[in-house]
Amino acid sequence: GAVVSQHPSWVICKSGTSVKIECRSLDFQATTMFWYRQFPKQSLMLMATSNEGSKATYEQGVEKDKFLINHASLTLSTLTVTSAHPEDSSFYICSARKGVNQPQHFGDGTRLSIL
Amino acid sequence: AQSVTQPDIHITVSEGASLELRCNYSYGATPYLFWYVQSPGQGLQLLLKYFSGDTLVQGIKGFEAEFKRSQSSFNLRKPSVHWSDAAEYFCAVSTGGGNKLTFGTGTQLKVEL
Repeated sequence: GAVVSQHPSWVICKSGTSVKIECRSLDFQATTMFWYRQFPKQSLMLMATSNEGSKATYEQGVEKDKFLINHASLTLSTLTVTSAHPEDSSFYICSARKGVNQPQHFGDGTRLSIL
Repeated sequence: AQSVTQPDIHITVSEGASLELRCNYSYGATPYLFWYVQSPGQGLQLLLKYFSGDTLVQGIKGFEAEFKRSQSSFNLRKPSVHWSDAAEYFCAVSTGGGNKLTFGTGTQLKVEL
């Protein structure tokens, strides 16, 4: 199998706080993980590509200082939404791949609501 | 840059009927193509993928898809739909098997009992 776990599944917090979301590959090592954002009833938009041991590559228009990504091990990547505001409310989904030319396997997503 | 078009936003079928979800892509080289399914409030599950070889690909849950290069299409089919198939379906394209994905806008499938 290829199981990706995401935590937390749902978080509500006050405006101005920072929120950390974890993405773990449970039964495989993932050299690359991806972070997506999905607005209601819309498709997934890639935010950044995270490679273990190196800096993440952000897509155009994504603020790297706002969305901090750390991929410290082959099984864990984290996304920190810093100083979150209501417009950051969204569904965030991570994915991981076992290696080059292997398909991405997705976590169950994190529903982030900023009050 | 690659792109994906899913022409149908919503589709409603009766349980037991056949299903075809359309997907057209735009990419200059040989594409890597995927179909994912998403249940409400959850992540995406890979149904099937096409990398090379046989253009008719079998996936999980009885789904199949056919890659037609001449039509730039990768339509998803199922001969008999079950009520549990109701979900959002996304077609995606990549420049490499594990490279970043470009998703279509999705097709919401409703199954009438």
